[in-house]
Amino acid sequence: TQLLEQSPQFLSIQEGENLTVYCNSSSVFSSLQWYRQEPGEGPVLLVTVVTGGEVKKLKRLTFQFGDARKDSSLHITAAQPGDTGLYLCAGTGGGNKLTFGTGTQLKVEL
Amino acid sequence: DAGVIQSPRHEVTEMGQEVTLRCKPISGHDYLFWYRQTMMRGLELLIYFNNNVPIDDSGMPEDRFSAKMPNASFSTLKIQPSEPRDSAVYFCASRGTSNEQFFGPGTRLTVL
Repeated sequence: TQLLEQSPQFLSIQEGENLTVYCNSSSVFSSLQWYRQEPGEGPVLLVTVVTGGEVKKLKRLTFQFGDARKDSSLHITAAQPGDTGLYLCAGTGGGNKLTFGTGTQLKVEL
Repeated sequence: DAGVIQSPRHEVTEMGQEVTLRCKPISGHDYLFWYRQTMMRGLELLIYFNNNVPIDDSGMPEDRFSAKMPNASFSTLKIQPSEPRDSAVYFCASRGTSNEQFFGPGTRLTVL
């Protein structure tokens, strides 16, 4: 069974601060996705990374896939209250099934 | 497009009762996934369909759970009999040709 551990589990920061969320596994993934989930809603896809070492930017969010395709990170610059939510990484081994990480609950306060 | 539709949004039932959760995927999507989310176990895949055919049900916890997809626009997840440990948020997601899964708003199930 492929497991994805995220850290930290909870993060509470002030508006304007930077933060990094980590997603780690002992398994190799063919691709890795990051989702954000807000209360009362389903997860929404932010990005997909497929190549080892790949870096993608989405406005203030920077996503990186590890060289060995076993880990990933999400960095947020100058966090805003609108970034508050549950961040989930999810990996696939090449099939159609996604294995979701344990999640990072982020709260950004004014 | 209306997105993935799930009903009901909330369900409260008593232990031993039958529960049926419903999902309408995005039109044209040929994959449908059922997930369960709890604080303890996170988001877990229960079963997924391709072109209305169940492909992998290895995540279904036990025989009390069953899922069907009679046509491309409708799927159900049934729990019979329900138990308190089944309390969770159940999500349906659909996917087309891209690798992006689109999730519904979920059904919050409480079994007393």
